[in-house]
Amino acid sequence: AQKVTQAQTEISVVEKEDVTLDCVYETRDTTYYLFWYKQPPSGELVFLIRRNSFDEQNEISGRYSWNFQKSTSSFNFTITASQVVDSAVYFCALNGAGGTSYGKLTFGQGTILTVHP
Amino acid sequence: DAGVIQSPRHEVTEMGQEVTLRCKPISGHDYLFWYRQTMMRGLELLIYFNNNVPIDDSGMPEDRFSAKMPNASFSTLKIQPSEPRDSAVYFCASSRTETYEQYFGPGTRLTVT
Repeated sequence: AQKVTQAQTEISVVEKEDVTLDCVYETRDTTYYLFWYKQPPSGELVFLIRRNSFDEQNEISGRYSWNFQKSTSSFNFTITASQVVDSAVYFCALNGAGGTSYGKLTFGQGTILTVHP
Repeated sequence: DAGVIQSPRHEVTEMGQEVTLRCKPISGHDYLFWYRQTMMRGLELLIYFNNNVPIDDSGMPEDRFSAKMPNASFSTLKIQPSEPRDSAVYFCASSRTETYEQYFGPGTRLTVT
């Protein structure tokens, strides 16, 4: 069975602070994919990033960066110099790569991020 | 390119009525997924299709729920009869085999009174 845990239910920061959202996962698949999605107040789910299990390079995209550590089964997401527009619910998700695991995008419970001006 | 399209965006119906939710995936995507989001249960995968064929419907809550994909550009999720506990946001998503990235539609907010 797959499981994704986002231990932080809610985080509140002031604009320009850095914030890290934690994600820990469990899977028996040897190949798998990890994702982060953003759900702003408008309700849609926006794809942010995909990371393959065999690629442990960290990634940076503008103010966003992701730290994947297979040894600790973690895939953490950092927003640098947060802005009010970053306020949203952020979901970490896991997808097994093959067989009956494919398509079973298992989501964490989400972290509500509020950025205050 | 157009994203995943869902209709209606909002649906309010009375208990016992039939509800049909519609989805048009991104052109060229061969996988289509239906999810439900509630405060209590979070995001749940209900069913998914590959090349219009249902692959896994183990997440469908009960026989009142059914889903079809008659062609590559259209899918429906039907609830008959609807109950108040079906109230949720229903998302449709699509992806291509090679990327595993699922792109979501705007969702349908269903309220059953």
